[in-house]
Amino acid sequence: DTEVTQTPKHLVMGMTNKKSLKCEQHMGHRAMYWYKQKAKKPPELMFVYSYEKLSINESVPSRFSPECPNSSLLNLHLHALQPEDSALYLCASSPLVGTGNTIYFGEGSWLTVV
Amino acid sequence: AQSVTQPDIHITVSEGASLELRCNYSYGATPYLFWYVQSPGQGLQLLLKYFSGDTLVQGIKGFEAEFKRSQSSFNLRKPSVHWSDAAEYFCAVGAGGTSYGKLTFGQGTILTVHP
Repeated sequence: DTEVTQTPKHLVMGMTNKKSLKCEQHMGHRAMYWYKQKAKKPPELMFVYSYEKLSINESVPSRFSPECPNSSLLNLHLHALQPEDSALYLCASSPLVGTGNTIYFGEGSWLTVV
Repeated sequence: AQSVTQPDIHITVSEGASLELRCNYSYGATPYLFWYVQSPGQGLQLLLKYFSGDTLVQGIKGFEAEFKRSQSSFNLRKPSVHWSDAAEYFCAVGAGGTSYGKLTFGQGTILTVHP
């Protein structure tokens, strides 16, 4: 059973707020990802964690701060966001970062910045 | 750099008709190819994947895809479409090595199913 759980499903925040998106998986996967999907666009990679360490940062602005407290959890801390950051944020996981590993996505968190 | 092209932005079919969604990729080495489906307001669900071996791969919900290296294509097919198949479909290519987690998606194809 493959399941990546994201909370909250919807978040509205002001530009001065600090909030966090949370992601959890209990499949024993050791790689976790954050993707961002703007309306009517495909997802784009933001961060990759491998064995709880950040391995890829796709030049994401520092107002997005990822955190991987353990192998099952991945957070995305949000601070001083802009309205153009409004999007669907997708968490994903795979057994490992490496060839042949399938990447499974969660349902996403809809973020609206006002 | 890898890239994916889905030539059809929107496809409309009648329920029960066959379906083929096109995907062309560009990648310098052996590609790792995926098809995902996304219903409105939802996340991405994996339909099928190709890593190596048999070039015809079977997926969930009756979908299949064929990898053709000579044409750099990975088209998705279904013999008989159901109304519940209406959604957006994304083809994606995965890089190898330490960049493996970086999926590059096509622009997506929206499928509408008429009764």
